[in-house]
Amino acid sequence: KQEVTQIPAALSVPEGENLVLNCSFTDSAIYNLQWFRQDPGKGLTSLLLIQSSQREQTSGRLNASLDKSSGRSTLYIAASQPGDSATYLCAASLRGSRLTFGEGTQLTVNP
Amino acid sequence: DAGVTQSPTHLIKTRGQQVTLRCSPKSGHDTVSWYQQALGQGPQFIFQYYEEEERQRGNFPDRFSGHQFPNYSSELNVNALLLGDSALYLCASSLVRAGGPNQYEQYFGPGTRLTVT
Repeated sequence: KQEVTQIPAALSVPEGENLVLNCSFTDSAIYNLQWFRQDPGKGLTSLLLIQSSQREQTSGRLNASLDKSSGRSTLYIAASQPGDSATYLCAASLRGSRLTFGEGTQLTVNP
Repeated sequence: DAGVTQSPTHLIKTRGQQVTLRCSPKSGHDTVSWYQQALGQGPQFIFQYYEEEERQRGNFPDRFSGHQFPNYSSELNVNALLLGDSALYLCASSLVRAGGPNQYEQYFGPGTRLTVT
């Protein structure tokens, strides 16, 4: 059974700081790993998807890495802004697209 | 390009009642998955529909059932509601039949907030 853990559960940083969010998974036979952003009471917005054959993906100030052998993924956010404040969720899928989510990291970026 | 839509946005029901939630997938997508997200938790997989059949199911009781229509839209039905069913219900769609590396990338709707009193 796939289990996904995210550390830390909450993070508060000053504006402009670079930060790293961590995600670990127990079954290394993943098909892909997705990072999502969720604003309070809203749905999920996909940020980055990393295929199992890839090591990282980048979009703007976001960079996600994947290390299947160690069961870890990280989301790096450069030059954080108050608008980045949200909950960040990682989700792993085995073949078949069923996603297993972590419980999220609640990020607050203070002006 | 229409994204995933869900209705209603909010719903209040009483214990023991039944509820139906609806989802229209992103344009061109053929697969719909449903998730339940309790407050402060990550989403939990309920089930997935492809070609009008339930293909995968998570650890949810039979009170949770669904349906997919020929136009790929989907419904989630919950019978005999319990207080613990209060949650945000999320629908996600993907395009499986096209194959390729991103065939399982999922796009989520805004969710339906269900409150059971």
